[in-house]
Amino acid sequence: DAGVIQSPRHEVTEMGQEVTLRCKPISGHNSLFWYRQTMMRGLELLIYFNNNVPIDDSGMPEDRFSAKMPNASFSTLKIQPSEPRDSAVYFCASSRVAGEETQYFGPGTRLLVL
Amino acid sequence: DQQVKQNSPSLSVQEGRISILNCDYTNSMFDYFLWYKKYPAEGPTFLISISSIKDKNEDGRFTVFLNKSAKHLSLHIVPSQPGDSAVYFCAASYTSGTYKYIFGTGTRLKVLA
Repeated sequence: DAGVIQSPRHEVTEMGQEVTLRCKPISGHNSLFWYRQTMMRGLELLIYFNNNVPIDDSGMPEDRFSAKMPNASFSTLKIQPSEPRDSAVYFCASSRVAGEETQYFGPGTRLLVL
Repeated sequence: DQQVKQNSPSLSVQEGRISILNCDYTNSMFDYFLWYKKYPAEGPTFLISISSIKDKNEDGRFTVFLNKSAKHLSLHIVPSQPGDSAVYFCAASYTSGTYKYIFGTGTRLKVLA
């Protein structure tokens, strides 16, 4: 049974470039979460979707960040333009229902913006 | 403003001894708490949780204690094993409908053989 799948696993880009991170949640899960991990702030929730609809995007840092979930099996997190301070590990997680205790995390995308 | 704080970035414990990881929170509205464990190059995995109506929850070698008056929770691992070496995140949430987990910054546990 496949877990949450994220791609790419690693991304190195130059400042100003567009970055797109991808996530495939666990089949049958209807809630999807995007997190960012940094040393200073730990795991921060950026946005979450319920049944493909964005419910809370208050954690999105600024307008350079956007997220979409066009269907139940795919989501993207886009940064345009990217900046060095965006360098972090980005995790996607899914759960059967929002509020269920167990969120299943993907392996993460390590982003480095030069 | 960190609502969930893990003030010890790292902890080293001898194999077989008890590991105690601490977490403090500031928002008294939190009513559900969790611990996640993270190995390098992997995503966090759920470990154990506790509702605010309880003060203790046990699962094998792992026990979580909640002190609501002090806004403090702790994770005890007894006995500690080298395979427990990982980063541990505590998280808090409301069950009133926001469904957001607020995570701490993590504590890196190293169990020495």
